[in-house]
Amino acid sequence: KAGVTQTPRYLIKTRGQQVTLSCSPISGHRSVSWYQQTPGQGLQFLFEYFSETQRNKGNFPGRFSGRQFSNSRSEMNVSTLELGDSALYLCASSFTINEQFFGPGTRLTVL
Amino acid sequence: TQLLEQSPQFLSIQEGENLTVYCNSSSVFSSLQWYRQEPGEGPVLLVTVVTGGEVKKLKRLTFQFGDARKDSSLHITAAQPGDTGLYLCAGNSASKIIFGSGTRLSIRP
Repeated sequence: KAGVTQTPRYLIKTRGQQVTLSCSPISGHRSVSWYQQTPGQGLQFLFEYFSETQRNKGNFPGRFSGRQFSNSRSEMNVSTLELGDSALYLCASSFTINEQFFGPGTRLTVL
Repeated sequence: TQLLEQSPQFLSIQEGENLTVYCNSSSVFSSLQWYRQEPGEGPVLLVTVVTGGEVKKLKRLTFQFGDARKDSSLHITAAQPGDTGLYLCAGNSASKIIFGSGTRLSIRP
């Protein structure tokens, strides 16, 4: 079974721009969660999608949004980028809440 | 706000030594997971514990879930350089996953 894939792996943007990250879950997994990982804050939950619906949401501003398609693939979007948005963005897919499988992440650098 | 505190934050030991990493919270979790993350990669699930007092072994790694399901520990016996990485615990409460701050482990040959 193929693992979770994320594209792109690396991205450099400037302040004020917007960015879209993509995640393809493991086949058969309908839940996709997104996390932001920074050295200072660790792994923080952004949101979870299940069957195209946002099921849970973390404490991030509205600039962070996401969606899930009928094939379970998911995208997250960050608008009006700030320097503090520089981070590793991780996507995880799961069949049950107890077992999440992470992708390699997208390293976003905001200049 | 639910918090998962991991200790120690950093640990550097000699190959062959034993170590224990702790994950503590004031909240009760329905399950708890341990992950290991290597540089440039996403976390990889090591184990899930569900029952209070549960002990699971994965080769040289022993995981324990506290009786009250508020804490957990990871014990590594005879550490090897391949054990180097960031160890993360994650608790599941009301279908939300909370991650600990992580323990960065370095094993010196």
